[in-house]
This record gives sequence, structure tokens and C-alpha cells, in this order.
Amino acid sequence: GENVEQHPSTLSVQEGDSAVIKCTYSDSASNYFPWYKQELGKRPQLIIDIRSNVGEKKDQRIAVTLNKTAKHFSLHITETQPEDSAVYFCAPFNDYKLSFGAGTTVTVRA
Amino acid sequence: NAGVTQTPKFRVLKTGQSMTLLCAQDMNHEYMYWYRQDPGMGLRLIHYSVGEGTTAKGEVPDGYNVSRLKKQNFLLGLESAAPSQTSVYFCASSYSKTGYGYTFGSGTRLTVV
Repeated sequence: GENVEQHPSTLSVQEGDSAVIKCTYSDSASNYFPWYKQELGKRPQLIIDIRSNVGEKKDQRIAVTLNKTAKHFSLHITETQPEDSAVYFCAPFNDYKLSFGAGTTVTVRA
Repeated sequence: NAGVTQTPKFRVLKTGQSMTLLCAQDMNHEYMYWYRQDPGMGLRLIHYSVGEGTTAKGEVPDGYNVSRLKKQNFLLGLESAAPSQTSVYFCASSYSKTGYGYTFGSGTRLTVV
């Protein structure tokens, strides 16, 4: 099965600074790479995704970059705001299913 | 559209009791999934279904059974609950075999004492 690792497990940033989370995966057949945000007590919400034939995708303050050769993809959040505080999960997709990383807890300090 | 509805939202079970969690979707999605989430961890796949009448094992299937008799419903059963099954259970459905369109339910918080 897919082995997914996320780093770091916790990240504390000053409001306005950038945050970067890296996800590595093991199965080269994975072809869809989403990032989810989960607030306390809530369900995961898709925030950005990328397909395997694209290297980078941006949506306002968030972006995802993919290096398929090295089997890793990263989430970039710029100009962080207090509402960005949450747990973020990568979840590469392969063989009909998402495989989730263990999560990164992001805290934005005011 | 209600999306993905999970029933119940909360439940406390005694060790050895059985129960069924219901997941219902009204989006005509082909694919359905059951995940569990333990504190400080990501979601782990228990079982999934790629269509009515089909089921398959995920990463952590032991102690659980599932059925998909109707396209809109995916049931997760615990035959003899154990404290290790205390968790938050999320159901999800998707219309695409390529990963797009995953929709999660709001979760069921299960405690086994």
C-alpha cells in the first residue's frame, strides 16, 4: 500500500509569514494530489489539488507544487492569517482511494 | 441536496456490543469509503466500495464489516466492539475514479467503554 509521510508535524508561524508543508509518497502510480484542511471537530475540507501532469497550481494565498520524479508534493501558504490555523493533510490518490498523511498542525501567532 | 449524511453522530457502546453506522449520499456517487481518525492521526481507510454490491478492504479492516446493497447507502458494522475501536468515523463518497469530488460526512464519534 501507499506510504505517506508529512513534515513537519507541527508548524508555528507569525501572522503574515509563509508556511510550507512537504508530503512524500511511495507509490509511483499515484496520479492525483490533494491537500485537506481540518478544523477542530470538523470534517476535512479540500483546499487545493494537483494532477500528475502539472508541476504547480496556485489559488490566491495557497499553492501546491509537485515533483513526481522525487515523489513529493508541497503546500505553500503565503501571508498567513489566524484563520489558517488548523490541521493540514496530504492525501495522494491511487487505485480508487486517498491515503492520508498523519497531518501537520499549523498555528498562526498574532 | 443533503450530500453525505452519517447516522448516528455520537454513540457510546459497551465492550462486546454490536452496532451499525449508516452512511447515505444523495449525489448518485459510485464510490464510497469508511475512514477512522484517531487523535493526532490522519484518516485511515477501513473499507471502500467501487459500486453497488461491491466492497473491498482498506488499510485497517479488522473488526469491521460493510455492505453496499443500495448505491446510496454504505453500512459499517462492528460485530463485537472493543475499546481500540474508539474513534471518529468519517464516511466519504466520490463520483470519479480519478480522485475528484470526494465529499465527506460530518463524522460519527464512537466511544467503546
